[in-house]
Amino acid sequence: DIQMTQSPSTLSASVGDRVTITCRASQSISSYLAWYQQRPGKAPKLLIYKASSLQSGVPSRFSGGGSGTEFTLTISSLQPDDVATYYCQQYDDYWTFGQGTKVDIK
Amino acid sequence: QVHLVESGGGVVQPGRSLRLSCAASGFVFSVYSIHWVRQVPGKELEWVAVISIPDTNLFYSDSVKGRFTISRDNSKNTVYLQMNTLRPEDTAVYYCARGADLGGHPTQDYWGQGTLVSVSS
Repeated sequence: DIQMTQSPSTLSASVGDRVTITCRASQSISSYLAWYQQRPGKAPKLLIYKASSLQSGVPSRFSGGGSGTEFTLTISSLQPDDVATYYCQQYDDYWTFGQGTKVDIK
Repeated sequence: QVHLVESGGGVVQPGRSLRLSCAASGFVFSVYSIHWVRQVPGKELEWVAVISIPDTNLFYSDSVKGRFTISRDNSKNTVYLQMNTLRPEDTAVYYCARGADLGGHPTQDYWGQGTLVSVSS
């Protein structure tokens, strides 16, 4: 099974800050990596697929990068609405998620 | 607008059964695969099962294989998850999600709001 590891587990930043979350796969997954946002008490929402493709309707301050085993999600200017837990997911071989990164406002 | 609504959750004793439903609207249901994904409150997401199209192949995670069965009724735009021999570790919020081909491989693009299953004596 492919394991996904995210860092950090929690992140606190100020409004307007640039924040980056890292996701590492236990083996190469090419670019079959998605990022989801889950606000408290809500369902996950797809932000990024194929490592760097922005899902329709998602603000452009979100961007993704990487390939193989190392991936990043960047929020270029953190907004209060971005308070959530972010999960990476590999979909190269079935589907497995990272443990999540909780983002809040300092 | 894509809309998925789960139902059927509740409290059930270990060893008993429960059937979840996922009612879909806002898209051509018959041409999309549907997944079930679960989440222990406060923990990470775990993929559970998928029913694919057009061949209706079924795939399950190792943790539920042999106990859970996924099925669909295209005439009702509904997918079901029959859960048998439930264990306390099956306690979670269960989400259904639409599967879509995103860049060459399929994954989940739209999710329902979830239904809570609690397995406890």
